[in-house]
Formats: sequence, C-alpha cells, structure tokens
Amino acid sequence: NAGVTQTPKFQVLKTGQSMTLQCAQDMNHNSMYWYRQDPGMGLRLIYYSASEGTTDKGEVPNGYNVSRLNKREFSLRLESAAPSQTSVYFCASSERHEKLFFGSGTQLSVL
Amino acid sequence: LAKTTQPISMDSYEGQEVNITCSHNNIATNDYITWYQQFPSQGPRFIIQGYKTKVTNEVASLFIPADRKSSTLSLPRVSLSDTAVYYCLVGLYNFNKFYFGSGTKLNVKP
Repeated sequence: NAGVTQTPKFQVLKTGQSMTLQCAQDMNHNSMYWYRQDPGMGLRLIYYSASEGTTDKGEVPNGYNVSRLNKREFSLRLESAAPSQTSVYFCASSERHEKLFFGSGTQLSVL
Repeated sequence: LAKTTQPISMDSYEGQEVNITCSHNNIATNDYITWYQQFPSQGPRFIIQGYKTKVTNEVASLFIPADRKSSTLSLPRVSLSDTAVYYCLVGLYNFNKFYFGSGTKLNVKP
C-alpha cells in the first residue's frame, strides 16, 4: 500500500518553462490537496479538490493550475515557472477531511 | 478558519514530557483541532485530533479546555527521534481547506 505518491522527487527548471507535478493516491480518498513549503516556513495551500471533478483555490493559487484527472490522481501545473515558485511541493489526500496523508514531496528549483 | 498561534521553538531533553500549547481564540463551534508532525524532507504526519476535553492515543495526548480557545499537545517521555516541527490546525470537520501555521520546532537533546 503506497499511500500518496508524488513524481518527480526533484526538478530544476529555467524561468518561463512549464511542468506538471503528478500525484496519485491508492486509499480511495475523495479529497486531494496541493501545498507548497518554503524554507523554514509552514505549508501553504495552493489548490484542493473536494471530490472527483471539482477543484478550488487555496491561499496561494496564482501561477498554478490543477487537474483532478480521476479519483486517484491530482496534478499541479506550472505554466510559466518563476524563481518565486522555488519550493517543496506536497500533495495530500483525505477522507471526509478528517486526516491528511501526505506524499514525500517534490523539491523544485526555478533558476 | 480560526488562526492559530504556537511557540516558534522549544527545547527538551530525552525522557522528559513535552507540552506544546496552541492558541485559537476564534475557534468556531464546529471546528476540530488536529496536530501534525513533520520531519525534515518529509510530509507532515497526523498525530492526533480532538474536539473537546482529552484525547489520547499511542503517540500523544491532546488536552482541550472547556472554552476550546487553546489546546495542548503532550508528548510523554520524548526521545531524540521526536525532534521535528509540530503543527496545530483548526478547521471545520467537513470543510475542505486546512491551513497550516508556522509550527513549533521541537529540539530534543540527549
């Protein structure tokens, strides 16, 4: 039972490049989330999906788009990466919002 | 959602009991209180959740006074492996958004 799987684990981009972070969960959870964590800071919610087919903005959605492909998968896309988006990105899932299960994170550097 | 306030950091020694308090003065009637633990280079991990009074599991205890404006996470007999950042979250049970604060960095010394 893998839980929440994120790919890739590391990525380096140049300013203006685009990329998609992938997230999949095998716990049959309805809700999925994307957070970012800057060095020494807490996590900030980017987007979330309460259920398959729905998405909504969190605290810091600018510069990002998301897709809830199916119940298992929730992707985060950076259309035109900026140095300010250098961060560690965490995907999480939950059932009835009671307990969040997190992936191991993607470390992204934008040069 | 209710804003939370926690100490930025705490130091302790192995074998001691550690209590981390979180203030949430604007907690709403339907809000639950949840604590997470995060090790470096890992995602946060759920520790415990409560609504009122006291909750205990195999890892920690959570004390919530009657007014629910604060809560205290209690870690019994900490070890070096408990060195981590601890986050207090307050959010509506059926609400979708969970906002993390800056957390409390616990440093356990030998």
